[in-house]
Amino acid sequence: SQQGEEDPQALSIQEGENATMNCSYKTSINNLQWYRQNSGRGLVHLILIRSNEREKHSGRLRVTLDTSKKSSSLLITASRAADTASYFCATARISNFGNEKLTFGTGTRLTIIP
Amino acid sequence: NAGVTQTPKFQVLKTGQSMTLQCAQDMNHNSMYWYRQDPGMGLRLIYYSASEGTTDKGEVPNGYNVSRLNKREFSLRLESAAPSQTSVYFCASSHRDRGYDEQFFGPGTRLTVL
Repeated sequence: SQQGEEDPQALSIQEGENATMNCSYKTSINNLQWYRQNSGRGLVHLILIRSNEREKHSGRLRVTLDTSKKSSSLLITASRAADTASYFCATARISNFGNEKLTFGTGTRLTIIP
Repeated sequence: NAGVTQTPKFQVLKTGQSMTLQCAQDMNHNSMYWYRQDPGMGLRLIYYSASEGTTDKGEVPNGYNVSRLNKREFSLRLESAAPSQTSVYFCASSHRDRGYDEQFFGPGTRLTVL
């Protein structure tokens, strides 16, 4: 089953507004990552937050993590038309072989209205 | 650098036919992954290879086999395709940097099984 559940499933906002997406998960994690997927394309890594961190920034992106509530949020500030995409959270756990396995959420479809 | 490449981009099969999806990466990554993405859902891990010579099952391995041919190449085989395997398949590779694995994705293979 999916590790992460995201809400909202879809979000439409005006260009320049901020967009917030939420992710909840079920078990302990090594870190949590956010990816973007443009229509018909592969996923692109955006930002990572470790399990011992509470907040991380990267450009217009801000991610928070609350391990007690098993939830994370991604904030995109001053949105642009080019931000239109699907956004996925992914929880990372260590595999039997020492690499990380990701479990993806169901995604939020973000549409920026010019 | 081409990154992660996948062939073919599109494929239509009849039920019971077999085929192999090819994936190659030129980033010298140790770990490689195969995912499937169904409409409105996140990615689900089929199989992964933590390093050359190792493979392990993911969340949805039934009906698939994999081969890690060398460090660069990781193939996914459908021995007897079923309509339930209609999906978009993504290959990814990762390396451990600063204590976590960032995954890089290929463009995907869109498979339809009739």
